[in-house]
Amino acid sequence: QVQLVQSGAEVKKPGASVKVSCKVSGYTLTELSMHWVRQAPGKGLEWMGGFDPEDGETIYAQKFQGRVTMTEDTSTDTAYMELSSLRSEDTAVYYCATDLEAAAVIPGYWGQGTLVTVSS
Amino acid sequence: DIQMTQSPSSLSASVGDRVTITCRASQGIRNDLGWYQQKPGKAPKRLIYAASSLQSGVPSRFSGSGSGTEFTLTISSLQPEDFATYYCLQHNSYPLTFGQGTKVEIK
Repeated sequence: QVQLVQSGAEVKKPGASVKVSCKVSGYTLTELSMHWVRQAPGKGLEWMGGFDPEDGETIYAQKFQGRVTMTEDTSTDTAYMELSSLRSEDTAVYYCATDLEAAAVIPGYWGQGTLVTVSS
Repeated sequence: DIQMTQSPSSLSASVGDRVTITCRASQGIRNDLGWYQQKPGKAPKRLIYAASSLQSGVPSRFSGSGSGTEFTLTISSLQPEDFATYYCLQHNSYPLTFGQGTKVEIK
């Protein structure tokens, strides 16, 4: 069973960056395909980016290109999502979501979410 | 990008009702679609994957169907714990895209 534990809530000023972590247990990161999804208050789910196992690359949604970086530390089985040049519209709960790379299905395992608040 | 159009955006139903939610893809996605249930303050929970496969542990009153461009999530007999928001997600091609969500409320 995969478990994902995310870092705690963050409050940032406009223009700053935030880095959210997602610690994996139960499997190793190399066996998983990790994605990041966010949800603004009262809004729907929005895919930000994730690992494409067919290409072996991380794909970012166009909306976040140039502002988001998703990385993985396989020595600690921790995934990271860094979002820069924050603005108030980036206030949201950020989730990591994953499944076994070989399963080729929508992510079945989710972190608990990390609230990022952008406010001056 | 593949657009997912989910309908309705909300519905009111009573316990015991049959509920159907639809997602339409802007182009064919085979059966590369799943459904989530989300309750307030919680992470989404996968109900259905590969369009019609029931996630282990999910009650059998939930079912999914469809292929290509039209997909449905059906709750055969709505229970009190089913009042939530439901989302479809396609993973046929990148970027992955969600439907806009359907909020199921108590009538």
